Amino acid sequence: KNQVEQSPQSLIILEGKNCTLQCNYTVSPFSNLRWYKQDTGRGPVSLTIMTFSENTKSNGRYTATLDADTKQSSLHITASQLSDSASYICVVFTGTASKLTFGTGTRLQVTL
Amino acid sequence: DAGITQSPRHKVTETGTPVTLRCHQTENHRYMYWYRQDPGHGLRLIHYSYGVKDTDKGEVSDGYSVSRSKTEDFLLTLESATSSQTSVYFCAISILGTGDFPYEQYFGPGTRLTVT
Repeated sequence: KNQVEQSPQSLIILEGKNCTLQCNYTVSPFSNLRWYKQDTGRGPVSLTIMTFSENTKSNGRYTATLDADTKQSSLHITASQLSDSASYICVVFTGTASKLTFGTGTRLQVTL
Repeated sequence: DAGITQSPRHKVTETGTPVTLRCHQTENHRYMYWYRQDPGHGLRLIHYSYGVKDTDKGEVSDGYSVSRSKTEDFLLTLESATSSQTSVYFCAISILGTGDFPYEQYFGPGTRLTVT
């Protein structure tokens, strides 16, 4: 069964600090992996998309890594801001219109 | 937001009543989806559509039906709502991505449905 597991489930950090979120997947066949940010009461918004051949991709203060051999991805947030408080969802895409597997997300809270 | 709106944004209904949620897009995208999001679960696909009158089931389709009579509208109907259908429902569309990606998904703002 295709699965995406994320850790930690929740995380509290001080503003300005860095953090790393983890994603492990058992999805086959693999097409690409995406990280989404979901603010409270809003729909998910894409942060990064990575294919099998990519191992690092950045989007501002967000850097995603992918190890296709170990089927692990991470999302590193640098110099966190209060606006980074959200859920971060890892999604693995198998390449067809209906085949996305979503993780349950990591709830990040950035405090003063 | 790819021009996606959902209505209503919030609804409270009683068990056994029919409920229809609407997703509207303004950019004529071919693929549209309905997901539900519940605590402890990732987003789960209910139904999707790949064109007018062309729909297919997702992983949690029991108790739900959909219709798409126009490109821009995708309706999700709960024929007889149950408390287990209390959830947040998201509509999504797919568009062609850049590079070698087949597409990207954009999500609507969600509808919070409570069945009492």
